[in-house]
Amino acid sequence: KAGVTQTPRYLIKTRGQQVTLSCSPISGHRSVSWYQQTPGQGLQFLFEYFSETQRNKGNFPGRFSGRQFSNSRSEMNVSTLELGDSALYLCASSSSGANYNEQFFGPGTRLTVL
Amino acid sequence: AQSVTQLDSHVSVSEGTPVLLRCNYSSSYSPSLFWYVQHPNKGLQLLLKYTSAATLVKGINGFEAEFKKSETSFHLTKPSAHMSDAAEYFCVVSVEDSSYKLIFGSGTRLLVRP
Repeated sequence: KAGVTQTPRYLIKTRGQQVTLSCSPISGHRSVSWYQQTPGQGLQFLFEYFSETQRNKGNFPGRFSGRQFSNSRSEMNVSTLELGDSALYLCASSSSGANYNEQFFGPGTRLTVL
Repeated sequence: AQSVTQLDSHVSVSEGTPVLLRCNYSSSYSPSLFWYVQHPNKGLQLLLKYTSAATLVKGINGFEAEFKKSETSFHLTKPSAHMSDAAEYFCVVSVEDSSYKLIFGSGTRLLVRP
């Protein structure tokens, strides 16, 4: 099976712009989670989608949003970018069976905000 | 609320010597615990997971971890370090509210000296 893919891998934006990141889960996985990784804050949970519904959200401002499509692909959007949004954004997918909490991560999208 | 504490931010070992990465957890019920590894500029890879089936868990690449409820610990070990083990390691606890949310420790950077 192909792993979790994320596009683009690298992105450079300027303050005030918005950005959309994409994640394709492992085939058959219906849950997609997003995490932000920064040197200062470490890995932090952003949100999780299952069957096109957001089931849980982390402690991030409303500028961070996401959605999931019927094929389980997910997008994450950040509006009005700030310098502090520079980070590695990781997407993870998991199945809905017995191993539901075993998450498989993509390589990440490295976002740099100038 | 669940949490994990990784007791060492950096660990340095010589190639061929044992590795010990320490993790303590906090959970009000029997948790699901994981160790993930992240190589430079790469995503996260699952090393092993504990889900109450057995207290000694064997993972990939010769790593194993022991769940000790009395000590609330889940330390990661390997008998003999290899240069390729140099990476950052994360101890992770799963939030048991069916939301698939993972809580990450702050990470331990493992350095392997030749």
